[in-house]
Amino acid sequence: AQSVTQLGSHVSVSEGALVLLRCNYSSSVPPYLFWYVQYPNQGLQLLLKYTSAATLVKGINGFEAEFKKSETSFHLTKPSAHMSDAAEYFCAVILSGAGSYQLTFGKGTKLSVIP
Amino acid sequence: KAGVTQTPRYLIKTRGQQVTLSCSPISGHRSVSWYQQTPGQGLQFLFEYFSETQRNKGNFPGRFSGRQFSNSRSEMNVSTLELGDSALYLCASSQGQPGNTIYFGEGSWLTVV
Repeated sequence: AQSVTQLGSHVSVSEGALVLLRCNYSSSVPPYLFWYVQYPNQGLQLLLKYTSAATLVKGINGFEAEFKKSETSFHLTKPSAHMSDAAEYFCAVILSGAGSYQLTFGKGTKLSVIP
Repeated sequence: KAGVTQTPRYLIKTRGQQVTLSCSPISGHRSVSWYQQTPGQGLQFLFEYFSETQRNKGNFPGRFSGRQFSNSRSEMNVSTLELGDSALYLCASSQGQPGNTIYFGEGSWLTVV
């Protein structure tokens, strides 16, 4: 079975500070990994995805994530937080094996940015 | 290029009624999947359709059903609504392979009273 754990349901950072949102996964086969962002009353927007190419993945809005197989982690970072980054962030996984096409999501991390 | 379109955006139903939600995927996408989002359970997978065939199904009761049409548009139906079915229902589309990007719609907010 696969699962995703996001450490910290709520993270607060000051504007201009580093953003670090943690995601760990458990999977018996190589996974595809995704980060999505959800703004209030909206759907999910893809920030970035890992599909076994480069381990450091760059996404939209200055976000990036690094796949670390030894740590089974896919943490999301941004060097400098902006007020517009305040939202909820979801890490998700799809198994790379045949027959699996569903995203399994973490519980989400709500990011607050303090001016 | 139009995104994933879901209708209706908001609806209120009474316990015991049924509801049908509609989803139009991105043009050219053959896979449509549905997710339920609630504050308590988070985002949970309902089912996924590819070329009119259900490929995957999540752990939901039989009251939840779906279908996909030949133009890839999809509907999901919930019968005998319960208060606990109140949720945001999200539709997503992709080209249908595991590494493909999955795009989400804005969702349909269902309130059961």
